[in-house]
Amino acid sequence: GQNIDQPTEMTATEGAIVQINCTYQTSGFNGLFWYQQHAGEAPTFLSYNVLDGLEEKGRFSSFLSRSKGYSYLLLKELQMKDSASYLCAVKDSNYQLIWGAGTKLIIKP
Amino acid sequence: TAGITQAPTSQILAAGRSMTLRCTQDMRHNAMYWYRQDLGLGLRLIHYSNTAGTTGKGEVPDGYSVSRANTDDFPLTLASAVPSQTSVYFCASSEGQGSTDTQYFGPGTRLTVL
Repeated sequence: GQNIDQPTEMTATEGAIVQINCTYQTSGFNGLFWYQQHAGEAPTFLSYNVLDGLEEKGRFSSFLSRSKGYSYLLLKELQMKDSASYLCAVKDSNYQLIWGAGTKLIIKP
Repeated sequence: TAGITQAPTSQILAAGRSMTLRCTQDMRHNAMYWYRQDLGLGLRLIHYSNTAGTTGKGEVPDGYSVSRANTDDFPLTLASAVPSQTSVYFCASSEGQGSTDTQYFGPGTRLTVL
């Protein structure tokens, strides 16, 4: 079967750095996506990785290791508005997205 | 631009009744998707359409039907609602269905079936 694993919840402090991990086992791999979802809202696209390595976008970075079936999302200089759920998703061999259950990130002042 | 709109925002529906959730996009995207999101679970694909005139079944299609008469609209119909269909439903679209094509989501419809 196909599986995406992420921690259910994480807590971090405003101004700090947090790393959200994602491991996957899918039938085929055609890229990994990270989305942010605030409570009661739609998921919004954050980042995309298809090759191994780090992709940086301002305060957010995403890393991929295809051989390990592993990715992480790194959030720097945390702000209260970063409190949200972060969803990891992998495009499988049929180009369909397989989604993790999401990691709820709580930011404390 | 509006992007993707969904209607209604929320609905309470009696079991056994039918309902159509509407989804419209103005980005001229070829591919559209319907997902449901339940607490503790990842988004699950119900149906998809790679282009106008074609549809396909996702992971959890039973009890749902879709049509894609044109590029912009992708309605989802529940023929006879059951309580297990209580969920938040998201419509999404992408330019294509390739590896780099990003899916963009509508605001969602919160459906309660009693």
